[in-house]
Amino acid sequence: GQSLEQPSEVTAVEGAIVQINCTYQTSGFYGLSWYQQHDGGAPTFLSYNALDGLEETGRFSSFLSRSDSYGYLLLQELQMKDSASYFCAVRPPGANNLFFGTGTRLTVIP
Amino acid sequence: DGGITQSPKYLFRKEGQNVTLSCEQNLNHDAMYWYRQDPGQGLRLIYYSQIVNDFQKGDIAEGYSVSREKKESFPLTVTSAQKNPTAFYLCASKTQGAATDTQYFGPGTRLTVL
Repeated sequence: GQSLEQPSEVTAVEGAIVQINCTYQTSGFYGLSWYQQHDGGAPTFLSYNALDGLEETGRFSSFLSRSDSYGYLLLQELQMKDSASYFCAVRPPGANNLFFGTGTRLTVIP
Repeated sequence: DGGITQSPKYLFRKEGQNVTLSCEQNLNHDAMYWYRQDPGQGLRLIYYSQIVNDFQKGDIAEGYSVSREKKESFPLTVTSAQKNPTAFYLCASKTQGAATDTQYFGPGTRLTVL
């Protein structure tokens, strides 16, 4: 089976950098995705790592290390609008669906 | 504009009643998904469909049923057999063979059982 663990809550200051970790126990997967969800809203896709290493998309970067069973989402120059929940997700081998992590609620404070 | 629509946004149901949640997409996506989200928790897969007239159970399919008669539509029925149906329901779609696993989500339906 799959298990994706994330910290439940993170608080950071506006303008700062924050890292949201995702550790996993899974027999394998195609890639690690990250989604953002504001309260009451729909999740939206942020980033995807098919291979180990860093992927950068504007203020957001995502990292994957399969050997360490670990990934993270890095948010730079935090803005108040970044306050939301963030989920990591993987696609299990042979499947066409995503398995989501427990989610991290990020609160950005002034 | 292309996208996914879900209706209604809020739904109230009495215990013992079946209720159907609508999901429509005009993105020409082959795969569609239904997730359930409980407060402060992640998304759990209920059912998914990769092609018309075919669907597979997810991790929490008990008490739910789906149909996929058209590519654009993937309605979810919450039956009276679902013991705790109050939750936020999200529908998503994805194109087959995409380089990433990007799923596009609808705005969700919040179901409350009275």
